[in-house]
Amino acid sequence: QSVLPQPPSASGTPGQRVTISCSGSSSNIENNNVNWYQQLPGRTPKLLIYNNNQRPSGVPDRFSGSKSGTSASLAISGLQSEDEADYYCAAWDDSLNGVLFGGGTKLTVL
Amino acid sequence: EVQLVESGGGLVQPGGSLRLACAASGFSFSTSEMTWVRQAPGKGLEWISYISSKSKTIYYADSVKGRFTISRDNARNSLFLQMNTLRAEDTAVYYCARGGNNNWSEFDYWGQGTLVTVSS
Repeated sequence: QSVLPQPPSASGTPGQRVTISCSGSSSNIENNNVNWYQQLPGRTPKLLIYNNNQRPSGVPDRFSGSKSGTSASLAISGLQSEDEADYYCAAWDDSLNGVLFGGGTKLTVL
Repeated sequence: EVQLVESGGGLVQPGGSLRLACAASGFSFSTSEMTWVRQAPGKGLEWISYISSKSKTIYYADSVKGRFTISRDNARNSLFLQMNTLRAEDTAVYYCARGGNNNWSEFDYWGQGTLVTVSS
């Protein structure tokens, strides 16, 4: 497994709640913390969620993360136009001795 | 203010070499774990290498193992990536990132990236 599977795209209208999933296995998501990154168009990735469900200072509480077993999810509530970006999950993989990123989900705000 | 500034990217022929550098400032570089992540044009993020604060622990992705070498100079607050035997598929923007305090895949600060193009 070279990437953690994520849906390639997601969409919602302003004010809606959207969720983005990230699938893994016992060697990565199940036994290690998951982080989420937001990459706005043409910008550098930014840490959005760490340790499965913690928000760094400055990240709005509209963003939340969760993990259950071998899967993780990012939820965005009260969707805003500025949330339009690519979102990536990431987790350490014990078998590979390296970090696996998700394939990325492109979020469109309709 | 934390700053990470990459340099050294450019156009190189297949089979060639490049050395990337990342200049760090605004934080204690010598106690920070560091990582290189790359992003091919229009593609997702790919982790490629990790180095611990004192260089005692180093990891590489299989895609670059044996060709790339990560190193650091704590006295100069600098991170490096020596890239040899470059291939077309190594074409990407290369980011250096600081490891966070909480887990191995947490990167709390990223540089702006440097573009490496491998082409004849």
